[in-house]
Amino acid sequence: GAVVSQHPSWVICKSGTSVKIECRSLDFQATTMFWYRQFPKQSLMLMATSNEGSKATYEQGVEKDKFLINHASLTLSTLTVTSAHPEDSSFYICSASQFSNQPQHFGDGTRLSIL
Amino acid sequence: AQSVAQPEDQVNVAEGNPLTVKCTYSVSGNPYLFWYVQYPNRGLQFLLKYITGDNLVKGSYGFEAEFNKSQTSFHLKKPSALVSDSALYFCAVRRLSSGGYNKLIFGAGTRLAVHP
Repeated sequence: GAVVSQHPSWVICKSGTSVKIECRSLDFQATTMFWYRQFPKQSLMLMATSNEGSKATYEQGVEKDKFLINHASLTLSTLTVTSAHPEDSSFYICSASQFSNQPQHFGDGTRLSIL
Repeated sequence: AQSVAQPEDQVNVAEGNPLTVKCTYSVSGNPYLFWYVQYPNRGLQFLLKYITGDNLVKGSYGFEAEFNKSQTSFHLKKPSALVSDSALYFCAVRRLSSGGYNKLIFGAGTRLAVHP
C-alpha cells in the first residue's frame, strides 16, 4: 500500500521550454503533497507543500512563478518548471501523505536535464 | 529550530557484520524521527519511525533504530549487513509548519557501502 507514482522519470529538453511533472497517489487519497529538489550528492530540499484545492505554500527562496504547483484532486499534484534553464536541471521528488500527521510516501523522482 | 545531523558522509562495512548509521537531532518538544533509504535514481523508501513508546524501533528489511533521549540520537542499525543494503540513508525529523503541515527536515545523508 501507499504507492506514489511520479511521471516522467527522466526528461531532457531545450532551454526555454516548460516541463510538467506529475505525482499521483495510487492507492490512497493524499490531502497533502510535497515537492523536493535534490542536487547530486546532497540532501532533499523542500520546495513547496500543496493541499488539495488550495494554493501551494512555497519555501523561502523558491520562485512561485518559476515552479507552478497544482493540486487539483486528492490523487494528483503537478509541478511545472516554466521556461526552464540549465540551472533548473536537478532531481525532483514528490511525496504524499494521507493526512498532515501521517508519514510521507515518496515517488521515484524525475531527473530533469535542460540543454 | 529543528535540525538533524548525520556526522558520517560514508560508512563502510563488510557483508555479515553489524552496521550503524548515526543520526543526532535537535528539536523543541517530543521528536518524531524517521529513517529513509534511497537507491540510485529512485525516490525515498520509508524504513522506520519513532513517535513514542519503546526506544528500540524495528523497521523494514531487518533494520532497527534506537532512540536515545539523553544523547539526542536515533542511530540506525542492522545486525548483519547485506551487499544489497548499499544505498544512501537519510534521517529526518518532523516539523509542523505554521499551516499545520507535517514537514520533514532531512539530514545530509550517509552513503552505506557493504563490501562482499
